[in-house]
Amino acid sequence: TQLLEQSPQFLSIQEGENLTVYCNSSSVFSSLQWYRQEPGEGPVLLVTVVTGGEVKKLKRLTFQFGDARKDSSLHITAAQPGDTGLYLCAGGYAGNNRKLIWGLGTSLAVNP
Amino acid sequence: EAGVTQFPSHSVIEKGQTVTLRCDPISGHDNLYWYRRVMGKEIKFLLHFVKESKQDESGMPNNRFLAERTGGTYSTLKVQPAELEDSGVYFCASSPRQAGEAFFGQGTRLTVV
Repeated sequence: TQLLEQSPQFLSIQEGENLTVYCNSSSVFSSLQWYRQEPGEGPVLLVTVVTGGEVKKLKRLTFQFGDARKDSSLHITAAQPGDTGLYLCAGGYAGNNRKLIWGLGTSLAVNP
Repeated sequence: EAGVTQFPSHSVIEKGQTVTLRCDPISGHDNLYWYRRVMGKEIKFLLHFVKESKQDESGMPNNRFLAERTGGTYSTLKVQPAELEDSGVYFCASSPRQAGEAFFGQGTRLTVV
């Protein structure tokens, strides 16, 4: 049983479209991280959210942490081919934010 | 500045053989972590070093896995004897502090046949 469910699993869109991917859990996390991974590379941290209801923006990417700290979303505005990759969310518990619980990821393809 | 580097990038071994994976963290990073992703499953934490000491090894699957970090610099993860279910991508990450961003290596893809 997955502790962190990510949806959708796959997403293929055209350049310029908007999209939202989700990360849901029945567990409460002290922090939640979003990573992007490209083929043959390791995950690269995009953002860490720690407060329920928190919203963080990184250029065209908007991250939200649910009020109850059980879920999160990533919204991309005007997607570009360079956004293509695997988006992973990972939850951390207080006292050991490195023993992360990972989702399976959303594989995003942005077509020109 | 060099990032986290892992060797080898790929390894194919037969069941029962021994394999040693190496991770060179970013210079000066005291914290070093090992993770593994088995095909079709999520990334899972294996263990955490602070300098040469094992801070948390609760994620290590069994006693066929041995991680070391002599001198607090590079780390090795040895699997002996390897089993089919050990196949996957092994990631190493390092960070200067326990909190804050951890930087991942490119991973070692291990295939046990």
